[in-house]
Amino acid sequence: DTGVSQNPRHKITKRGQNVTFRCDPISEHNRLYWYRQTLGQGPEFLTYFQNEAQLEKSRLLSDRFSAERPKGSFSTLEIQRTEQGDSAMYLCASSFVVAGGEQYFGPGTRLTVT
Amino acid sequence: QQQVKQSPQSLIVQKGGIPIINCAYENTAFDYFPWYQQFPGKGPALLIAIRPDVSEKKEGRFTISFNKSAKQFSLHIMDSQPGDSATYFCAASKGSGAGSYQLTFGKGTKLSVIP
Repeated sequence: DTGVSQNPRHKITKRGQNVTFRCDPISEHNRLYWYRQTLGQGPEFLTYFQNEAQLEKSRLLSDRFSAERPKGSFSTLEIQRTEQGDSAMYLCASSFVVAGGEQYFGPGTRLTVT
Repeated sequence: QQQVKQSPQSLIVQKGGIPIINCAYENTAFDYFPWYQQFPGKGPALLIAIRPDVSEKKEGRFTISFNKSAKQFSLHIMDSQPGDSATYFCAASKGSGAGSYQLTFGKGTKLSVIP
């Protein structure tokens, strides 16, 4: 399978716990994006990496959120001290940066904070 | 401020009909306009995309029409099938030069194709 993969697919956690999600992009893609999608809405940009460098973060990404992409391969998104408002689908996308490189999305991780 | 406005919110058509979904954008720096299809519980799948140097692009049964002066673009699905029932999102980004090329999405259109 050469598509974007994400794990876990579903995560249920209690408020206040920390969670970590993983994204494996398409192998030759050097750009990796994280988006968040809530019910009935389109995805919203959170942050992106070019290779291992995190180049931009949205205002949506509070201090409780941190993302890494060591060695420019897979990426992790960690949420500390989860809140009920963090419940959403977290989507990862990757692209090969040329002018307007097409972004391909993974299946997402559905987070439910109880 | 919603930078990409999408309509209608939902759409029901008969099999064989031609649903049309419309989007309008505000940021004149946008120069890449993709459409995504999303089924419940799945990630968005890229359908077709257009850049402002053309007014129309066709791929299979999917056609994008683009009006740069009006800052509007639309998706037409020819000979729609029940399997096309999904939520469709338009998006826009700055697609050249420096920057993140982050996608700004519309709120989505839930399409139902009735047999």
